[in-house]
Amino acid sequence: DVKVTQSSRYLVKRTGEKVFLECVQDMDHENMFWYRQDPGLGLRLIYFSYDVKMKEKGDIPEGYSVSREKKERFSLILESASTNQTSMYLCASITTGGGRNTIYFGEGSWLTVV
Amino acid sequence: SQQGEEDPQALSIQEGENATMNCSYKTSINNLQWYRQNSGRGLVHLILIRSNEREKHSGRLRVTLDTSKKSSSLLITASRAADTASYFCATDAGSNYKLTFGKGTLLTVNP
Repeated sequence: DVKVTQSSRYLVKRTGEKVFLECVQDMDHENMFWYRQDPGLGLRLIYFSYDVKMKEKGDIPEGYSVSREKKERFSLILESASTNQTSMYLCASITTGGGRNTIYFGEGSWLTVV
Repeated sequence: SQQGEEDPQALSIQEGENATMNCSYKTSINNLQWYRQNSGRGLVHLILIRSNEREKHSGRLRVTLDTSKKSSSLLITASRAADTASYFCATDAGSNYKLTFGKGTLLTVNP
C-alpha cells in the first residue's frame, strides 16, 4: 500500500516561529502537494511539486514556502508563523499510472499558532 | 478557487437508508473523483469517473456524471454507521495532476 507519512500530528507553535512540516511518501511519486483544510472552506492547495527541486504555487501560497530536495520528501515551511495559519495541513502524493490520478493523503498535521 | 461544490453541506440518515450527495463544477474536466474523510484524518480515495463515463459502481457506491450539467452524484446504498464521514468531490481539469476539492458533505448515519 502507498504510504504518505506526516511526521508531526499535533504541533503548537508561537507567533513568529519558523515551522517545518515534513512529509514522506514511499511510492516514488513525482507529484506531491500541500493542502490546508479549514472548517467551511474545504481543502485549499498551498503548493505542489512535480519533480525534485520543482515547485509551483497553489491557490494560497502566501506565508508559506516549500522544499523538495529528494523525491520522497516534500516539506512545508512557515517562515514566521501567524495565528491565521492555525489549521490542519494535509500532504499528498499522486500516482498517474494508467491515466488515473489518484491522490494518497497523509493523516494530517494539526498546527496551532498561539 | 473551488471547482467542485457539494450539496448538501450536511446529511443525516438512519442506518439502512440510501445517501445521495451531489457535486457541481464549473469548467470542463478530465475526470472527477470522490474521497472520504473520517473526523480528524486524511482523505481516502473512493472512486474515479472519467469524463467519457456516465456511471460507475464500486461495492455499495454508485457514481454518476453528467458533463452537460457539470454535475456528479455519489449514492451510498444500505448505509451503515461506519459510513459516517465527510465526502468530497475533486476535479482534475488541467495539467500537473492538480486536483481541486469541494467543501464536502458531512454524512451522519444514525444506528
